[in-house]
Amino acid sequence: NAGVTQTPKFQVLKTGQSMTLQCAQDMNHEYMSWYRQDPGMGLRLIHYSVGAGITDQGEVPNGYNVSRSTTEDFPLRLLSAAPSQTSVYFCASSPAGPNGLFNQPQHFGDGTRLSIL
Amino acid sequence: RKEVEQDPGPFNVPEGATVAFNCTYSNSASQSFFWYRQDCRKEPKLLMSVYSSGNEDGRFTAQLNRASQYISLLIRDSKLSDSATYLCVVNKGRWHSSASKIIFGSGTRLSIRP
Repeated sequence: NAGVTQTPKFQVLKTGQSMTLQCAQDMNHEYMSWYRQDPGMGLRLIHYSVGAGITDQGEVPNGYNVSRSTTEDFPLRLLSAAPSQTSVYFCASSPAGPNGLFNQPQHFGDGTRLSIL
Repeated sequence: RKEVEQDPGPFNVPEGATVAFNCTYSNSASQSFFWYRQDCRKEPKLLMSVYSSGNEDGRFTAQLNRASQYISLLIRDSKLSDSATYLCVVNKGRWHSSASKIIFGSGTRLSIRP
């Protein structure tokens, strides 16, 4: 089982460059989300999606775009990289719960370690 | 006030000790609760779900107190390999509801010494 796959695992960018972090899951999960985690800090939600064609902002959305054209893929785009975006990025997914409940745990990818110079 | 709060620690305990963490949440609409474990520079991994009746998985016991709005994690006979950060996670709202949200606590660091 592949689960949640993130690519690349490591990336170094220069300030002002743009790039896309890829996230794919093969579990047919409806819910997908992107988090960033700075050293010694907790996870902060960037964007999330409850299904194909639906996305919404999390706690720290500025500087990032997302799209969800398929159930499987949820790419995160950095529009113009800044040193403040140096972080570890985690993608996660979870299924909808039974009877409309939002009660399923998330599955995480291995993370993308991003450095902006 | 944060929606989910944890004592950041670090908790530094000897091998074989019993250690307990609490996590408080502020929204009574919260409906699902989990403990995750995160090792340094790795992704969070589900440790266990937390049920109203309490649940146990080997050396780990999780409890939920809805009246007081907290969940707890008890680790018995701690091992060196239990050293990690433990994250409390709360799901609130119903599916496709604008109020639905997954909220992570900042984590409690645990260090087990020989």
